[in-house]
Amino acid sequence: AQSVTQPDIHITVSEGASLELRCNYSYGATPYLFWYVQSPGQGLQLLLKYFSGDTLVQGIKGFEAEFKRSQSSFKLRKPSVHWSDAAEYFCAVLTGGGNKLTFGTGTQLKVEL
Amino acid sequence: GAVVSQHPSWVICKSGTSVKIECRSLDFQATTMFWYRQFPKQSLMLMATSNEGSKATYEQGVEKDKFLINHASLTLSTLTVTSAHPEDSSFYICSASKPTGYNEQFFGPGTRLTVL
Repeated sequence: AQSVTQPDIHITVSEGASLELRCNYSYGATPYLFWYVQSPGQGLQLLLKYFSGDTLVQGIKGFEAEFKRSQSSFKLRKPSVHWSDAAEYFCAVLTGGGNKLTFGTGTQLKVEL
Repeated sequence: GAVVSQHPSWVICKSGTSVKIECRSLDFQATTMFWYRQFPKQSLMLMATSNEGSKATYEQGVEKDKFLINHASLTLSTLTVTSAHPEDSSFYICSASKPTGYNEQFFGPGTRLTVL
Protein backbone atom coordinates (compact mmCIF):
# COMPACT_ATOMS: atom_id res chain seq x y z
CA ALA A 1 0.00 0.00 0.00
CA GLN A 2 1.08 3.52 -0.66
CA SER A 3 2.30 5.53 2.28
CA VAL A 4 4.11 8.73 3.10
CA THR A 5 6.26 9.18 6.17
CA GLN A 6 7.35 12.46 7.65
CA PRO A 7 9.71 11.48 10.46
CA ASP A 8 9.79 14.88 12.13
CA ILE A 9 6.60 15.86 13.92
CA HIS A 10 7.97 19.18 15.13
CA ILE A 11 10.92 21.25 13.98
CA THR A 12 12.12 24.54 15.43
CA VAL A 13 14.53 26.77 13.57
CA SER A 14 15.76 30.29 14.10
CA GLU A 15 14.75 32.95 11.63
CA GLY A 16 17.35 33.19 8.92
CA ALA A 17 18.55 29.63 9.42
CA SER A 18 18.21 26.96 6.78
CA LEU A 19 15.42 24.42 6.80
CA GLU A 20 15.17 20.81 5.71
CA LEU A 21 12.02 18.73 6.07
CA ARG A 22 12.13 15.01 5.42
CA CYS A 23 9.67 12.91 3.51
CA ASN A 24 9.84 9.26 2.55
CA TYR A 25 7.31 7.47 0.42
CA SER A 26 6.34 3.95 -0.41
CA TYR A 27 4.86 3.58 -3.86
CA GLY A 28 5.40 0.97 -6.53
CA ALA A 29 5.25 3.13 -9.60
CA THR A 30 6.87 6.41 -10.54
CA PRO A 31 5.64 8.81 -7.88
CA TYR A 32 4.12 12.19 -8.35
CA LEU A 33 5.17 14.04 -5.20
CA PHE A 34 3.98 17.24 -3.59
CA TRP A 35 4.70 19.52 -0.70
CA TYR A 36 1.87 21.57 0.77
CA VAL A 37 1.80 24.18 3.51
CA GLN A 38 -1.10 24.79 5.86
CA SER A 39 -1.45 27.78 8.13
CA PRO A 40 -3.64 27.40 11.23
CA GLY A 41 -7.30 27.03 10.34
CA GLN A 42 -6.60 27.25 6.64
CA GLY A 43 -6.65 25.00 3.62
CA LEU A 44 -3.58 23.73 1.83
CA GLN A 45 -1.33 25.67 -0.48
CA LEU A 46 0.86 23.88 -2.97
CA LEU A 47 4.55 24.72 -2.55
CA LEU A 48 5.95 22.55 -5.31
CA LYS A 49 5.59 19.27 -7.14
CA TYR A 50 7.75 16.65 -8.80
CA PHE A 51 6.66 14.51 -11.70
CA SER A 52 9.79 13.68 -13.66
CA GLY A 53 12.98 15.18 -15.03
CA ASP A 54 15.26 17.33 -12.93
CA THR A 55 15.30 15.94 -9.42
CA LEU A 56 15.67 19.39 -7.90
CA VAL A 57 12.44 21.33 -8.18
CA GLN A 58 11.78 24.92 -7.34
CA GLY A 59 8.63 26.13 -5.70
CA ILE A 60 7.02 29.23 -4.33
CA LYS A 61 8.20 31.29 -1.38
CA GLY A 62 11.83 30.30 -1.92
CA PHE A 63 11.30 26.59 -1.29
CA GLU A 64 12.91 23.79 -3.23
CA ALA A 65 12.82 20.02 -3.00
CA GLU A 66 15.11 17.21 -4.01
CA PHE A 67 13.84 13.85 -5.19
CA LYS A 68 16.03 10.82 -4.61
CA ARG A 69 14.56 7.66 -6.06
CA SER A 70 17.19 5.40 -4.49
CA GLN A 71 16.17 6.62 -1.05
CA SER A 72 12.44 7.02 -1.76
CA SER A 73 12.97 10.52 -0.47
CA PHE A 74 11.57 13.95 -1.27
CA LYS A 75 13.21 16.55 0.98
CA LEU A 76 11.96 20.09 1.25
CA ARG A 77 14.51 22.85 1.77
CA LYS A 78 14.72 26.57 2.25
CA PRO A 79 18.02 28.42 2.59
CA SER A 80 16.77 31.11 4.96
CA VAL A 81 13.56 30.76 6.94
CA HIS A 82 11.26 33.69 7.63
CA TRP A 83 8.98 33.97 10.65
CA SER A 84 6.00 33.77 8.30
CA ASP A 85 7.05 30.25 7.29
CA ALA A 86 5.80 28.91 10.62
CA ALA A 87 3.07 26.47 9.62
CA GLU A 88 2.30 22.79 9.08
CA TYR A 89 3.96 21.14 6.10
CA PHE A 90 2.57 18.08 4.39
CA CYS A 91 4.23 15.80 1.90
CA ALA A 92 1.92 13.86 -0.42
CA VAL A 93 2.03 11.32 -3.20
CA LEU A 94 -0.51 10.96 -5.97
CA THR A 95 -1.93 7.44 -6.06
CA GLY A 96 -5.08 5.61 -7.06
CA GLY A 97 -4.33 5.75 -10.73
CA GLY A 98 -3.38 9.38 -10.49
CA ASN A 99 -6.51 10.46 -8.72
CA LYS A 100 -5.88 10.32 -4.99
CA LEU A 101 -3.49 12.16 -2.74
CA THR A 102 -1.99 10.27 0.17
CA PHE A 103 -0.63 12.63 2.79
CA GLY A 104 2.08 12.27 5.36
CA THR A 105 1.36 13.07 8.98
CA GLY A 106 2.80 16.53 8.68
CA THR A 107 5.66 18.49 10.22
CA GLN A 108 4.93 21.47 12.42
CA LEU A 109 7.49 24.20 11.84
CA LYS A 110 8.15 26.76 14.53
CA VAL A 111 10.36 29.74 13.79
CA GLU A 112 12.18 31.45 16.63
CA LEU A 113 12.86 35.14 16.25
CA GLY B 1 -6.18 30.90 -11.27
CA ALA B 2 -7.94 28.02 -9.62
CA VAL B 3 -9.92 29.10 -6.60
CA VAL B 4 -12.01 26.83 -4.43
CA SER B 5 -14.32 28.17 -1.79
CA GLN B 6 -16.12 26.53 1.09
CA HIS B 7 -19.14 27.68 2.99
CA PRO B 8 -19.52 28.04 5.85
CA SER B 9 -16.02 28.53 7.20
CA TRP B 10 -17.19 27.41 10.59
CA VAL B 11 -20.39 26.01 12.02
CA ILE B 12 -21.61 25.03 15.46
CA CYS B 13 -24.60 22.76 15.74
CA LYS B 14 -26.46 20.69 18.29
CA SER B 15 -26.11 16.94 18.45
CA GLY B 16 -28.64 15.19 16.24
CA THR B 17 -28.95 17.94 13.66
CA SER B 18 -27.66 17.84 10.09
CA VAL B 19 -25.13 20.22 8.63
CA LYS B 20 -24.44 20.97 4.97
CA ILE B 21 -21.07 22.20 3.75
CA GLU B 22 -20.65 23.60 0.25
CA CYS B 23 -17.56 23.41 -1.92
CA ARG B 24 -17.37 25.52 -5.06
CA SER B 25 -14.79 25.87 -7.80
CA LEU B 26 -15.04 29.56 -8.63
CA ASP B 27 -13.12 29.90 -11.87
CA PHE B 28 -12.95 26.45 -13.38
CA GLN B 29 -15.07 23.40 -13.95
CA ALA B 30 -14.07 20.56 -11.70
CA THR B 31 -14.40 17.05 -13.01
CA THR B 32 -13.75 15.61 -9.59
CA MET B 33 -14.10 16.90 -6.07
CA PHE B 34 -12.66 15.39 -2.95
CA TRP B 35 -13.64 15.62 0.69
CA TYR B 36 -11.09 15.31 3.45
CA ARG B 37 -11.34 15.26 7.19
CA GLN B 38 -8.62 16.55 9.46
CA PHE B 39 -8.48 16.05 13.21
CA PRO B 40 -6.45 18.48 15.32
CA LYS B 41 -2.73 18.12 14.80
CA GLN B 42 -3.28 15.31 12.31
CA SER B 43 -3.07 14.79 8.60
CA LEU B 44 -5.80 14.91 6.02
CA MET B 45 -7.77 11.73 5.52
CA LEU B 46 -9.65 11.30 2.29
CA MET B 47 -13.31 10.62 2.94
CA ALA B 48 -14.74 10.39 -0.53
CA THR B 49 -14.30 11.26 -4.17
CA SER B 50 -17.16 12.61 -6.22
CA ASN B 51 -17.65 13.13 -9.92
CA GLU B 52 -20.33 15.36 -11.32
CA GLY B 53 -23.56 13.47 -11.85
CA SER B 54 -22.28 10.27 -10.28
CA LYS B 55 -22.47 8.71 -6.88
CA ALA B 56 -19.56 9.45 -4.61
CA THR B 57 -16.93 6.84 -3.94
CA TYR B 58 -16.30 6.54 -0.23
CA GLU B 59 -13.09 5.42 1.39
CA GLN B 60 -13.10 2.37 3.58
CA GLY B 61 -14.50 3.07 6.99
CA VAL B 62 -16.44 6.19 6.00
CA GLU B 63 -20.17 5.88 6.57
CA LYS B 64 -21.93 6.90 3.40
CA ASP B 65 -25.24 7.33 5.21
CA LYS B 66 -23.62 9.63 7.72
CA PHE B 67 -21.70 11.74 5.22
CA LEU B 68 -23.89 12.43 2.22
CA ILE B 69 -22.11 13.87 -0.79
CA ASN B 70 -23.85 15.46 -3.73
CA HIS B 71 -22.01 16.70 -6.80
CA ALA B 72 -24.81 18.29 -8.76
CA SER B 73 -22.75 20.46 -11.08
CA LEU B 74 -19.22 20.92 -12.31
CA THR B 75 -18.68 23.71 -9.83
CA LEU B 76 -20.51 22.59 -6.71
CA SER B 77 -20.25 19.67 -4.33
CA THR B 78 -21.93 19.43 -0.96
CA LEU B 79 -21.18 17.36 2.11
CA THR B 80 -24.02 16.82 4.54
CA VAL B 81 -23.20 15.46 7.95
CA THR B 82 -26.42 13.80 9.04
CA SER B 83 -27.46 13.43 12.67
CA ALA B 84 -24.20 14.96 13.76
CA HIS B 85 -22.60 13.93 17.04
CA PRO B 86 -19.67 15.39 18.97
CA GLU B 87 -17.31 12.83 17.45
CA ASP B 88 -18.07 14.32 14.04
CA SER B 89 -16.47 17.57 15.13
CA SER B 90 -13.55 18.15 12.84
CA PHE B 91 -12.04 20.30 10.11
CA TYR B 92 -13.47 19.37 6.72
CA ILE B 93 -11.55 20.34 3.61
CA CYS B 94 -12.63 19.94 0.02
CA SER B 95 -10.54 20.01 -3.11
CA ALA B 96 -11.37 20.15 -6.79
CA SER B 97 -9.39 18.96 -9.76
CA LYS B 98 -9.25 20.27 -13.29
CA PRO B 99 -9.73 17.89 -16.20
CA THR B 100 -6.27 18.66 -17.55
CA GLY B 101 -2.78 17.39 -16.98
CA TYR B 102 -2.44 15.25 -13.92
CA ASN B 103 -5.66 16.34 -12.25
CA GLU B 104 -4.01 18.75 -9.83
CA GLN B 105 -6.15 19.29 -6.76
CA PHE B 106 -6.94 22.78 -5.57
CA PHE B 107 -7.97 23.04 -1.95
CA GLY B 108 -10.65 25.03 -0.25
CA PRO B 109 -10.00 26.90 2.99
CA GLY B 110 -11.81 24.32 5.10
CA THR B 111 -14.85 24.26 7.37
CA ARG B 112 -14.60 23.88 11.11
CA LEU B 113 -17.53 21.83 12.44
CA THR B 114 -18.24 21.76 16.14
CA VAL B 115 -21.06 19.56 17.39
CA LEU B 116 -22.26 20.30 20.89
